[in-house]
Amino acid sequence: DVKVTQSSRYLVKRTGEKVFLECVQDMDHENMFWYRQDPGLGLRLIYFSYDVKMKEKGDIPEGYSVSREKKERFSLILESASTNQTSMYLCASSLAEPYEQYFGPGTRLTVT
Amino acid sequence: GNSVTQMEGPVTLSEEAFLTINCTYTATGYPSLFWYVQYPGEGLQLLLKATKADDKGSNKGFEATYRKETTSFHLEKGSVQVSDSAVYFCALSLYNFNKFYFGSGTKLNVKP
Repeated sequence: DVKVTQSSRYLVKRTGEKVFLECVQDMDHENMFWYRQDPGLGLRLIYFSYDVKMKEKGDIPEGYSVSREKKERFSLILESASTNQTSMYLCASSLAEPYEQYFGPGTRLTVT
Repeated sequence: GNSVTQMEGPVTLSEEAFLTINCTYTATGYPSLFWYVQYPGEGLQLLLKATKADDKGSNKGFEATYRKETTSFHLEKGSVQVSDSAVYFCALSLYNFNKFYFGSGTKLNVKP
């Protein structure tokens, strides 16, 4: 079974803090994704990566950056957290072709 | 462009009722289609998929048929259970595109 793990289930940070969300997958998948999920807005793609050190912006990249130094790990970085980044963050991975994405359990981030 | 439209929820049913959740799509190529389910407090899990026209995906009593002529992929289940209460997402992906397009999700509540 593919397993996608996220570093925290719940996180509370203060405005202006730098926040790191980590995601690890154990199935040698080429693609990794970060989404945020908000009520009424569904899933919105922040960034994705199709190879180590490669990344592409998704639909809402502003205020976020990513890092992929190893194939199994994809980090989402909030350079200076703001209250409007309070959300559920979901990581996913997939093989290179448009196969299904496998999701982690999510991190519920609250910025106060 | 590419997009997925789902019926708005919540959908409330009694146990053993018949379920249909409508999903239609717009795609510039030949998509693969997916249904994901999200239980409270968890990430998304793949429920079923179909990769070409007229394919039927099925899992756990749920079914969906890829209808190219109507650009639809409606989710059905003959007899829902309380444990099926969750949010259901329809999604598409396109060959050579490392992106998924998700619908906004439909919340299903099943009452005993």
